[in-house]
Amino acid sequence: EVQLVQSGADVRKPGESLKISCEGSRSSLSNYWIGWVRQMPGKGLEWMGIIYLDDSHSRYSPSFEGLVSISADKSISTAYLQWSSLKASDTAIYYCARTYNWNDVAWGFDLWGQGTLVTVSS
Amino acid sequence: QSALTQPSSASGTPGQRVIISCSGSSSNIGRKTVNWFQQLPGTAPKLVIYTSNQRPSGVPDRFSGATSGTSASLTISGLQSEDEAEYYCAAWDDSLNGPVFGGGTKLTVL
Repeated sequence: EVQLVQSGADVRKPGESLKISCEGSRSSLSNYWIGWVRQMPGKGLEWMGIIYLDDSHSRYSPSFEGLVSISADKSISTAYLQWSSLKASDTAIYYCARTYNWNDVAWGFDLWGQGTLVTVSS
Repeated sequence: QSALTQPSSASGTPGQRVIISCSGSSSNIGRKTVNWFQQLPGTAPKLVIYTSNQRPSGVPDRFSGATSGTSASLTISGLQSEDEAEYYCAAWDDSLNGPVFGGGTKLTVL
């Protein structure tokens, strides 16, 4: 069974950097896009950005452009979400999700990771 | 404030039919298809409807979706206790060049 396996929960202080990962187990993610979705405590879902694993082409929501960085390593079917300087307001669960198509007609996150809880506190 | 508007809560008894609405605008639902996600407590979201009215493999046919103008709806027929969850609509938004989500509807099975 194909799964997206995310790195474990992390606790950091404001100003610290962090990189979390999302690996496609038992299957290559070739030809797939991997998106990142934020869920703040008790809140809804927000699309942050997405990357195409085959060529690392990425796109960002305007709300997150410049605040995070998305990267990928195709050879190990892994996508990453990175912060250079965390804030307390970055405390949330971050999900990665897979979609075969990324366009206004056919997108669909059909497989999700289990989520990574990031806590930023002094 | 979410770009798509959903009621914060909905409820029904086992066997009933429940409809969850999702209201958007001409830059999202009005011209694009809608996906629906189910999030059980403490778990990751799961796709239950894509391109407005298609069910992924494994999703019961009790779940159906529809769109009309700038609104969409998710219908759950023959409600079951395991359907108790948060439901989110999502649609591509031209201004975002990506998807926007609704605020979520908490469905309670009484």
